[in-house]
Amino acid sequence: SQTIHQWPATLVQPVGSPLSLECTVEGTSNPNLYWYRQAAGRGLQLLFYSVGIGQISSEVPQNLSASRPQDRQFILSSKKLLLSDSGFYLCAWSVFQGDFLSGANVLTFGAGSRLTVL
Amino acid sequence: DQQVKQNSPSLSVQEGRISILNCDYTNSMFDYFLWYKKYPAEGPTFLISISSIKDKNEDGRFTVFLNKSAKHLSLHIVPSQPGDSAVYFCAASVDHNTDKLIFGTGTRLQVFP
Repeated sequence: SQTIHQWPATLVQPVGSPLSLECTVEGTSNPNLYWYRQAAGRGLQLLFYSVGIGQISSEVPQNLSASRPQDRQFILSSKKLLLSDSGFYLCAWSVFQGDFLSGANVLTFGAGSRLTVL
Repeated sequence: DQQVKQNSPSLSVQEGRISILNCDYTNSMFDYFLWYKKYPAEGPTFLISISSIKDKNEDGRFTVFLNKSAKHLSLHIVPSQPGDSAVYFCAASVDHNTDKLIFGTGTRLQVFP
């Protein structure tokens, strides 16, 4: 079965410090991988997605970056954190549901990482 | 520009009654819709979905209805149970190559005894 691991679960960092959140997927190969953020009072915002090793697409301009050094590893980073980077970060991978006439890839999320920037 | 909207931030329902969560969208190119359920400090979990070629999909106590002309979908939970208390996110898909989902802001459902 497929599983997704995300760590650390919680993180408190000072403004200006670096960030590294890691996500790994087991039980599948060549998954599409995603980083979402849930900020206070807002929905889930897509930050980055990757369809393969070294292939990263950014959805919104921001202070963050993502990398995919291995097929099932996805890393979210920042060189200098801002207060506005605080939030709940979610890694996800996708699996197709439906048939060839109509369907979509359903995201499976990790447990999330709570980042508080002080 | 919020393409998927959940205008009710919260909903309170008595146990055993029906819960109806609503979602509106603006992009007519969306062709697949999903509902996710999220407990505090956990990642969202997939609940139920519907293709744009259908108007109803049922799975146990959960039914999703789609009204394409109104660009509206709803999730019905019958009967509601205290364990259903969570935040529910509506999501829409248009890009099958990348599987990107656009999420709404969520509705917090509380089911009380």
